[in-house]
Amino acid sequence: QKEVEQDPGPLSVPEGAIVSLNCTYSNSAFQYFMWYRQYSRKGPELLMYTYSSGNKEDGRFTAQVDKSSKYISLFIRDSQPSDSATYLCAPLKAAGNKLTFGGGTRVLVKP
Amino acid sequence: DGGITQSPKYLFRKEGQNVTLSCEQNLNHDAMYWYRQDPGQGLRLIYYSQIVNDFQKGDIAEGYSVSREKKESFPLTVTSAQKNPTAFYLCASSTQGQGQPQHFGDGTRLSIL
Repeated sequence: QKEVEQDPGPLSVPEGAIVSLNCTYSNSAFQYFMWYRQYSRKGPELLMYTYSSGNKEDGRFTAQVDKSSKYISLFIRDSQPSDSATYLCAPLKAAGNKLTFGGGTRVLVKP
Repeated sequence: DGGITQSPKYLFRKEGQNVTLSCEQNLNHDAMYWYRQDPGQGLRLIYYSQIVNDFQKGDIAEGYSVSREKKESFPLTVTSAQKNPTAFYLCASSTQGQGQPQHFGDGTRLSIL
């Protein structure tokens, strides 16, 4: 079993819809949680960074962390075609700074 | 503009050849990392360095080597011992300290001729 799991998709939504992305993990040592966006043939770009359970909002993006169920979510409101990309969740242990990546979910926002 | 520069963007390797991928950062970050990304898979850590002249193996270090002679630079050599080198290679950097996010370059795509 992988430490971090994501549905590979593709997740296809119409422009303006809410995109809902999920990620589960198995290691309770993970304390920091990151979401990266990756366009084709580009490096991952840091979108959201959270610590501990709860919600964090930044513009159209909301990250949710539920440590009790080891479940991480990313919501994108008012989705745009430019949001079409692969979204990677990457939790991090408190000790050390080795990220563990999920396989990513590919999102397609159709105009 | 601060950032991470990887070169070349595309690289081709002949059988039995070593190739070196460049990674330079001007973010004044202490820590640097190399990852490999295969289609449909998450990033896997090859090597990382938290300080100049020191580096540690990641999860898939076999067939790779690195050096860290300068804070700004962390080159990766893919040796002939790496039997399946075709992949997208990503370099990242971060500040020191707990829970610091990593920032990535735009990668080098390595293919076998």
